[in-house]
Amino acid sequence: KAGVTQTPRYLIKTRGQQVTLSCSPISGHRSVSWYQQTPGQGLQFLFEYFSETQRNKGNFPGRFSGRQFSNSRSEMNVSTLELGDSALYLCASSLTGGEAEKLFFGSGTQLSVL
Amino acid sequence: KNQVEQSPQSLIILEGKNCTLQCNYTVSPFSNLRWYKQDTGRGPVSLTIMTFSENTKSNGRYTATLDADTKQSSLHITASQLSDSASYICVVSDYGGSQGNLIFGKGTKLSVKP
Repeated sequence: KAGVTQTPRYLIKTRGQQVTLSCSPISGHRSVSWYQQTPGQGLQFLFEYFSETQRNKGNFPGRFSGRQFSNSRSEMNVSTLELGDSALYLCASSLTGGEAEKLFFGSGTQLSVL
Repeated sequence: KNQVEQSPQSLIILEGKNCTLQCNYTVSPFSNLRWYKQDTGRGPVSLTIMTFSENTKSNGRYTATLDADTKQSSLHITASQLSDSASYICVVSDYGGSQGNLIFGKGTKLSVKP
């Protein structure tokens, strides 16, 4: 079974631009969640999608948005990029997103904002 | 405020030695506690998940313990190998009903030297 796939692997953007990251979950998984990881803050939850609906959202500004398609693939978008958005963006999938379910992470997209 | 604190921040040990990583949390109410291993440039990989009623769980050379009364957990690594060099992240979930209620520690960076 293929794991969680994130594309692109690396991305360089300049301030003010927007970016779209993609995540393909493990086949059969319907919950996809997104996280931002920085050296200073560690991993922080962005949002979770289940059956094309955003089920939970972390404490990030509205510039961060996402969506999920009917095949469970998900995208996240960051508009008006700031230098502080430079981070590793990880997505994870699980069967239903239940409390004690195991999360499977992708390798992430490393975003650098110049 | 829900928090997860890990210690030490970093650790260097010799190959073949044992080590123990610590995790203290103030998350309430408590649902489950997870340990993840994250290799540099990769996404985290689940090692163990423990609910309130479990006080120990093993995964090969990794053994996690949980004391829900003192809100402490430890991850013990036996007979360390060079491939154990990674960051180890403790994650605690409250009763949020979804993956959106995960609180991440900042991790312990373990280096295993030959």
